[in-house]
Amino acid sequence: EAGVVQSPRYKIIEKKQPVAFWCNPISGHNTLYWYRQNLGQGPELLIRYENEEAVDDSQLPKDRFSAERLKGVDSTLKIQPAELGDSAVYLCASSKEDRLGGEQYFGPGTRLTVT
Amino acid sequence: AQTVTQSQPEMSVQEAETVTLSCTYDTSESNYYLFWYKQPPSRQMILVIRQEAYKQQNATENRFSVNFQKAAKSFSLKISDSQLGDTAMYFCAFMKTTDSWGKLQFGAGTQVVVTP
Repeated sequence: EAGVVQSPRYKIIEKKQPVAFWCNPISGHNTLYWYRQNLGQGPELLIRYENEEAVDDSQLPKDRFSAERLKGVDSTLKIQPAELGDSAVYLCASSKEDRLGGEQYFGPGTRLTVT
Repeated sequence: AQTVTQSQPEMSVQEAETVTLSCTYDTSESNYYLFWYKQPPSRQMILVIRQEAYKQQNATENRFSVNFQKAAKSFSLKISDSQLGDTAMYFCAFMKTTDSWGKLQFGAGTQVVVTP
């Protein structure tokens, strides 16, 4: 079974530029998460999807961040415009919706550097 | 709001020895889940072990076991017979079972280094 796929693995951009990250969850996983992990810290949830519906986006900075999950499968997270403080690793995870407290499977993440 | 605290930034252990990582959390919830995740240099987070708060028995997965003290809000991880492949960042995480369920709240992590 393929794991969570993310691309790109690395991205370097100048501030004020836009950037997008892509995630393909494990087949059959209805719930998808985007986390941001700053250097030396644990991940923090940005947004959670159940199928194509964003059910928890309270931590998403909506002035510059947006996300979508068309057809309830792949998801894209976008930042526009990027700021220096956005440099971090962006992790995508997925889980089966019917397993409360179940395991979240993480992708390898995208390391974003904003210069 | 829930907080998760890992007070040990780094732990070093020799192969075959045992190391214990500490984690404390603060919550007013009566039921919840606790997790330990491992993040090797490849960055891929991997679930090590899970504990449901209403279960008294401590969870065990092969060489990994936890000491769950609900009243003290403590959730430590013991790695027995340490192996070089155990070198990684270890994160303690909390999940509510009510609103915002599914949201993992992580501690800052403990870097474990296993030496030959």
